[in-house]
Amino acid sequence: DAGVTQSPTHLIKTRGQQVTLRCSPKSGHDTVSWYQQALGQGPQFIFQYYEEEERQRGNFPDRFSGHQFPNYSSELNVNALLLGDSALYLCASSRLARTDTQYFGPGTRLTVL
Amino acid sequence: DQQVKQNSPSLSVQEGRISILNCDYTNSMFDYFLWYKKYPAEGPTFLISISSIKDKNEDGRFTVFLNKSAKHLSLHIVPSQPGDSAVYFCAATPGGSQGNLIFGKGTKLSVKP
Repeated sequence: DAGVTQSPTHLIKTRGQQVTLRCSPKSGHDTVSWYQQALGQGPQFIFQYYEEEERQRGNFPDRFSGHQFPNYSSELNVNALLLGDSALYLCASSRLARTDTQYFGPGTRLTVL
Repeated sequence: DQQVKQNSPSLSVQEGRISILNCDYTNSMFDYFLWYKKYPAEGPTFLISISSIKDKNEDGRFTVFLNKSAKHLSLHIVPSQPGDSAVYFCAATPGGSQGNLIFGKGTKLSVKP
């Protein structure tokens, strides 16, 4: 049984560019949450998708957007990249919008130059 | 303003001894607390949780204590094993099983043989 998978593993972009990160949830899970983990910090909640809708959102600007597909996989899009967007982006999946039983993927390391 | 604080960036203990990791929070609306463990190049893994209606929860070698009046929780690992060496994150949510998680910065535990 595959766990949460994320692609790509690493990504290098320049300021002003746009990036799309992808996440496939664990089998049987219907909810995907995205987190940003800057160096030396804990994960910070970006948003959660359930039933293809953004259900909750953290304190992130509109440059951060997402999507959930009918197969429950999800994308995180970041526009107009800033140097400060450099971080590990974690995807977590769960069932029925729960956050107490989330399974995390290994993350995508984004570097903005 | 950090709502969940882990004031010790690192902790070193001897194999077989007790490891105590501490976490403080400021938001009295938090009603559910979780601990995650993270190895390098992997996503965080859920370890143990506690609801605000309890003051203790045990799972094998891991026990979490909650002191609501002090807004403090701690994770005890007894006995500590070298495989426990990882970064431990404390997280809290005001929404029970469906609230978004607020993470601390983490404590790096090293268990020496």
